[in-house]
Amino acid sequence: KQEVTQIPAALSVPEGENLVLNCSFTDSAIYNLQWFRQDPGKGLTSLLLIQSSQREQTSGRLNASLDKSSGRSTLYIAASQPGDSATYLCAGISGAGSYQLTFGKGTKLSVIP
Amino acid sequence: GAVVSQHPSWVICKSGTSVKIECRSLDFQATTMFWYRQFPKQSLMLMATSNEGSKATYEQGVEKDKFLINHASLTLSTLTVTSAHPEDSSFYICSARISESEAFFGQGTRLTVV
Repeated sequence: KQEVTQIPAALSVPEGENLVLNCSFTDSAIYNLQWFRQDPGKGLTSLLLIQSSQREQTSGRLNASLDKSSGRSTLYIAASQPGDSATYLCAGISGAGSYQLTFGKGTKLSVIP
Repeated sequence: GAVVSQHPSWVICKSGTSVKIECRSLDFQATTMFWYRQFPKQSLMLMATSNEGSKATYEQGVEKDKFLINHASLTLSTLTVTSAHPEDSSFYICSARISESEAFFGQGTRLTVV
């Protein structure tokens, strides 16, 4: 059974700092990987999707990479802003044809002005 | 991106009553929707997979008679928490996929049973 670990569980950084969030899977056979943002009491907002043929995706100040051989993904946030404060979740699909996402517990990010 | 609308965003109900939560895909047809439950500081746990026109598939440990799922159309799935009890209080989120592309999530429903 796939398990997802996110490190660190919480992170506090000063505004403007670059940061990296980590995600690892017990089963490295990841087909798709998706990073989400969740604000308190809210649903999930999709940030980046790395599909099976890709190794990384970029959107604005965000860059996500996936190393299938090790079953690890990182989310890089450049020049962090207070508005980036949220919980970041990674989730993966194991195997083509599967629609089920397995989630990590998330990393709670606080960007201090 | 695609939009998934979930309603209500929060609900308070008395113990023993039933609550229905709706999940709609607004600009696409979703043959498959998913229902998750999230406890504080915990990850999202998949409860069931809802398939249009057929019975939902429940994850191990999820009571299908307590959490009734109906997916009557390609744009609507409902989750009914029957005879709710305080331990059912949680954050429920639905999700929909078009294919193997991105998953889109609703805004979530905070259920409080008193």
